[in-house]
Amino acid sequence: NAGVTQTPKFRILKIGQSMTLQCTQDMNHNYMYWYRQDPGMGLKLIYYSVGAGITDKGEVPNGYNVSRSTTEDFPLRLELAAPSQTSVYFCASSYDSPLHFGNGTRLTVT
Amino acid sequence: QKEVEQNSGPLSVPEGAIASLNCTYSDRVSQSFFWYRQYSGKSPELIMSIYSNGDKEDGRFTAQLNKASQYVSLLIRDSQPSDSATYLCAVYPGTYKYIFGTGTRLKVLA
Repeated sequence: NAGVTQTPKFRILKIGQSMTLQCTQDMNHNYMYWYRQDPGMGLKLIYYSVGAGITDKGEVPNGYNVSRSTTEDFPLRLELAAPSQTSVYFCASSYDSPLHFGNGTRLTVT
Repeated sequence: QKEVEQNSGPLSVPEGAIASLNCTYSDRVSQSFFWYRQYSGKSPELIMSIYSNGDKEDGRFTAQLNKASQYVSLLIRDSQPSDSATYLCAVYPGTYKYIFGTGTRLKVLA
């Protein structure tokens, strides 16, 4: 059972480039989340989804977009990368249960 | 603003001692509480869930919940160097969004 799978594991972007962080889960969880974690800091919620076709903003949504066309997938899009988006990104899922986290994507914007 | 507060540490304990980690939360309607362990460079890993007042034990770990005082704690008995990590407290108020503390860094000294 794979759980929550994130790709890529690492990425370096130049300022102004765009990319999509992929997240997929095989637990049939309705709720999915994107968090970012800066060095030595806690988790900050970027976006979340309570089901296919439904998304909502978290604490720090600026500079990001999401979509949820299927229960399994919840990609996070960065349109114009900025150095402030250098962080570790975690995808997580749940349904009336604790959050299950993916292994994270370490993104550097230079 | 709904908050979860943790002492950032580091909390240093000798090997074999009991480590006590504490967390307070502001949202009185919260019903679900979680402790996650996060090793440096890794994703958070669930170690305990607790939903009702009192103690819940799982191996060397005991979670304690006091809803009247709005605190939840984690005790780690017979602490091992491998327990050295950051411990995140999370609260689920039932509004789809989990609220995380910034974590307490634990160092177990051999």
